[in-house]
Amino acid sequence: DAGVTQSPTHLIKTRGQQVTLRCSPKSGHDTVSWYQQALGQGPQFIFQYYEEEERQRGNFPDRFSGHQFPNYSSELNVNALLLGDSALYLCASSSVRTSGRPSSYNEQFFGPGTRLTVL
Amino acid sequence: AQSVTQLGSHVSVSEGALVLLRCNYSSSVPPYLFWYVQYPNQGLQLLLKYTTGATLVKGINGFEAEFKKSETSFHLTKPSAHMSDAAEYFCAVSEGLTGGGNKLTFGTGTQLKVEL
Repeated sequence: DAGVTQSPTHLIKTRGQQVTLRCSPKSGHDTVSWYQQALGQGPQFIFQYYEEEERQRGNFPDRFSGHQFPNYSSELNVNALLLGDSALYLCASSSVRTSGRPSSYNEQFFGPGTRLTVL
Repeated sequence: AQSVTQLGSHVSVSEGALVLLRCNYSSSVPPYLFWYVQYPNQGLQLLLKYTTGATLVKGINGFEAEFKKSETSFHLTKPSAHMSDAAEYFCAVSEGLTGGGNKLTFGTGTQLKVEL
């Protein structure tokens, strides 16, 4: 059973460029969350996708956008890159089919991340 | 808003010694708490979680954590450290989102170093 996969592993861009990161969720999962982890920091919630719609967004500007496809995979797009966007971007998958339990119970399974460097 | 504070960004222990990593949370609702471990150049792996029920939670690799509501704490412990435990550890609190799903709010992490 494949876990959460992300591509590419590493990416180098220059300021002002645009980037697309990809994520495939764990088999059986329907929800994808994206997190940004700056060096020396804990991951910060960017947004979550379910049923191809953005469910909630963290404190990130509109330069960060996403998409979820019918097969539940997801993309994270960042426009007009800034030096401060350099970070490890983590994708996490989960399932809302929690058999009646509160959604806060949901365990999120993380991928290995994409290391983005902006020069 | 929920938040997590991890005391000590770096902890160093000798192999075979007790590991204690501290986590305090702030939550306006009953918290659901998680500990994750991150090895270099890897994603996050779940160590253990507290949802309801028993306040002492056992996880993988011999780790355990105790939920103490009166102290708003969820400290992670392991009786005997092993070299392979060297990694970064994150405490997180889960918050349900409108319409289902949840988001995790993480602490800033504690880097554990294990020395011979």
